[in-house]
Amino acid sequence: DQQVKQNSPSLSVQEGRISILNCDYTNSMFDYFLWYKKYPAEGPTFLISISSIKDKNEDGRFTVFLNKSAKHLSLHIVPSQPGDSAVYFCAASYTNAGKSTFGDGTTLTVKP
Amino acid sequence: GAGVSQSPSNKVTEKGKDVELRCDPISGHTALYWYRQSLGQGLEFLIYFQGNSAPDKSGLPSDRFSAERTGGSVSTLTIQRTQQEDSAVYLCASSDRGRKGEKLFFGSGTQLSVL
Repeated sequence: DQQVKQNSPSLSVQEGRISILNCDYTNSMFDYFLWYKKYPAEGPTFLISISSIKDKNEDGRFTVFLNKSAKHLSLHIVPSQPGDSAVYFCAASYTNAGKSTFGDGTTLTVKP
Repeated sequence: GAGVSQSPSNKVTEKGKDVELRCDPISGHTALYWYRQSLGQGLEFLIYFQGNSAPDKSGLPSDRFSAERTGGSVSTLTIQRTQQEDSAVYLCASSDRGRKGEKLFFGSGTQLSVL
């Protein structure tokens, strides 16, 4: 039973346009969500997070939106840059869980 | 060092042999995690250490897998009698206090290949 799902394995966008990466979750106990970016041969690095008490969090070009009723979150990157090309992982956690549960990732390719 | 360090970066072993993977977390971080990523898959949780608490071993796939954390710092993940399905990138991460929502700092991983 996969509790965090990223249904799009890959996404390709043109430089300067918006990238939208989606994530769905099934466990209603999750109340904190994080996005990580991973380049080949490197470990994931933290990008942005959101608490369930919010529906939006913005950091520069990156914005995460949370729809609790739909158990859905999305990461928007505007404008997209070639250096954003990487694998993006959605992760979720809840109080006392300790660990984060990750999705399978979406590979983003930004074309110049 | 400033980041999470893992060694070796690559390990090739024969089926049936034991392997040990090492993780040096960021100094001062009390929480340490092991995940693995099989080819084309997401990050699979293995085990979590938080301070002096009993570790959360709920993700270990079989009793061939074990891990320890000595002195609240360095951790070793041991896989006994390796199988081909154990081939994956093993990632270690640490965080400040292991609180909900706290971001994880990952090492570059150990690529394990079981022949």
